[in-house]
Amino acid sequence: EAAVTQSPRNKVTVTGGNVTLSCRQTNSHNYMYWYRQDTGHGLRLIHYSYGAGNLQIGDVPDGYKATRTTQEDFFLLLELASPSQTSLYFCASSSGTGRGDTLYFGAGTRLSVL
Amino acid sequence: QQKVQQSPESLIVPEGGMASLNCTFSDRNSQYFWWYRQHSGEGPKALMSIFSNGDKKEGRFTAHLNKASLHVSLHIKDSQPSDSALYFCADMGYKLTFGTGTSLLVDP
Repeated sequence: EAAVTQSPRNKVTVTGGNVTLSCRQTNSHNYMYWYRQDTGHGLRLIHYSYGAGNLQIGDVPDGYKATRTTQEDFFLLLELASPSQTSLYFCASSSGTGRGDTLYFGAGTRLSVL
Repeated sequence: QQKVQQSPESLIVPEGGMASLNCTFSDRNSQYFWWYRQHSGEGPKALMSIFSNGDKKEGRFTAHLNKASLHVSLHIKDSQPSDSALYFCADMGYKLTFGTGTSLLVDP
């Protein structure tokens, strides 16, 4: 089974604080994604990448930066956190974006911005 | 931007009953759909895919796609307590877009 590991699992910060969420996949997948999950909105794509050094903008990118340092590692950065960014964040990976490509998700990071 | 709306938001079915989940999408160019399931405290996991109009059956699960009416559905026969989860439909087209989710509770 494909493995995606997120850290930390829980994070509390204050408004204006800096937060980095980490994701590592050991699946040799090219694509990695960051989603946020909120009740009533489902899963919304923040950023994604198709390889080290590449970054693509998703549907809700405002207030977020991301960096893909290696094929395995993808980071989500919140440089001035706001309460609206309180959410459950998921990282995922896939080998491609074809119709048969499955996304493999991590267990999530719950972020609270006070 | 593609929008994927799911209904109902939540659903309670008795054990052994049939659960029906619906998904409406806005982009007529959409072609590739998946259903994902998320148990409490876990990340979503792929359940099944459907790419062609009509029905696709995998065990107790049947997906239905009607591109003309922009509609995808999932039917779970003989529902089990372990089916209690959050279900998402997803358009795996150009921009990966997930629906708003349906919370299913199977009452033993």
